[in-house]
Order: sequence, then C-alpha cells, then structure tokens
Amino acid sequence: NAGVTQTPKFRILKIGQSMTLQCAQDMNHNYMYWYRQDPGMGLKLIYYSVGAGITDKGEVPNGYNVSRSTTEDFPLRLELAAPSQTSVYFCASSLPPPGPNQPQHFGDGTRLSIL
Amino acid sequence: RKEVEQDPGPFNVPEGATVAFNCTYSNSASQSFFWYRQDCRKEPKLLMSVYSSGNEDGRFTAQLNRASQYISLLIRDSKLSDSATYLCVVNLAGQGNLIFGKGTKLSVKP
Repeated sequence: NAGVTQTPKFRILKIGQSMTLQCAQDMNHNYMYWYRQDPGMGLKLIYYSVGAGITDKGEVPNGYNVSRSTTEDFPLRLELAAPSQTSVYFCASSLPPPGPNQPQHFGDGTRLSIL
Repeated sequence: RKEVEQDPGPFNVPEGATVAFNCTYSNSASQSFFWYRQDCRKEPKLLMSVYSSGNEDGRFTAQLNRASQYISLLIRDSKLSDSATYLCVVNLAGQGNLIFGKGTKLSVKP
C-alpha cells in the first residue's frame, strides 16, 4: 500500500537554486495538498488542488508554484530558494471534501534546508 | 485570534495518568473536526474524527461543543507509546483544506 509518496526525503539547496518536490498518490483522491511545517509550529497550507487542472493558493503560497496535470501527481516547485523556505514539506490527499470519514492522508515529508 | 488554538503544553505525565487536551476554533462555519497525532520527525496521522455526540476509541475520548466552539481529547491510562504531539484540526464547510492547530506535545514517563 503506497498511499502518498514524496521524493526526495532530504535535500540541501543553495540560495537561488530551484527544485521540484514530487508527490504522488495511488488512492484516486481528487484533493491534494502541500503543507510546510517549521520547527515547533503547526502545518501551514501552501497550495491545494481539487482535481486535475485545478489549483488554488493556501495560506503561504509566495515563492512556490504547483501544477496538477494528473489525478495522481501534485509537484511543488521552488524557483528561487531562500533560507526562509527551510522547512519540512508534507504532501497530503483526501476524498472530496474532507469529512469525518474522509481524513487527509500524508506522505512521509521532505526535509529541505536552504543554505 | 488564531483559527485553531490549543493548550501550549508540553504535558509531562506518568504512565497510567489521564490527560486532557483542549482546543478552540474561531470560525463557526467549521464543519469537520479531527485529532491527528504526530510523532517526532514524522508525518501527521489521523487519531480520530470528532463527532457532535462525542466518540470513544479505546482509551481515547473526543468531545465537541459547537456552541462553545471547543474540542477536547481525553487519554486514559496513558502509555509510553502515547508520547507525541497531538494536533487539533478543523475543516470549514465546503472547503477542502484543513486548518491545523500548533499541537500539544505529550511526554509520558515511566
């Protein structure tokens, strides 16, 4: 049971570099999400998608871009990495909309450091 | 006022203790409520959904008071393995995204 798969698990970037965090789910979930979690803090929503071809901004979208060309994949792109983007990034998916029997399922996370 | 607020913690309790976590939410349009558990350096995992009538799952009991916009989680007979951060999470009606509290850290000691 793969569930939500994130790659890479760890990455160190230099300031100004770009990279894409990959997220794939095999549960046929329409809704997918990207969160970041800074040390000692709660999760903050970056972007989310309610289906292929549809994306929307969350609470902290600046510095990031997303695309949703398929139901399965929801990559997150950092164009110009900044130290403030050092964080743990979680991808999640759910059936629409989240309800008592439809929680979000999370990937293992990507630990990203910008130096 | 933050959308979802939790006890700041940390809670340090001995094995076998009963511990209660509280959470308040600011938006009365909140529709679904959850408690997630997050182990150190791991992803959040659903512990239990919270229903209006209250619900129990083994040693865990969740309560919801819509009038007071208050959610609680009670853990009875706490185990060492219960040590984690507990996240209060709400979802607004008709919206896909969840709103997470900062979490309350629980440490259960022998």
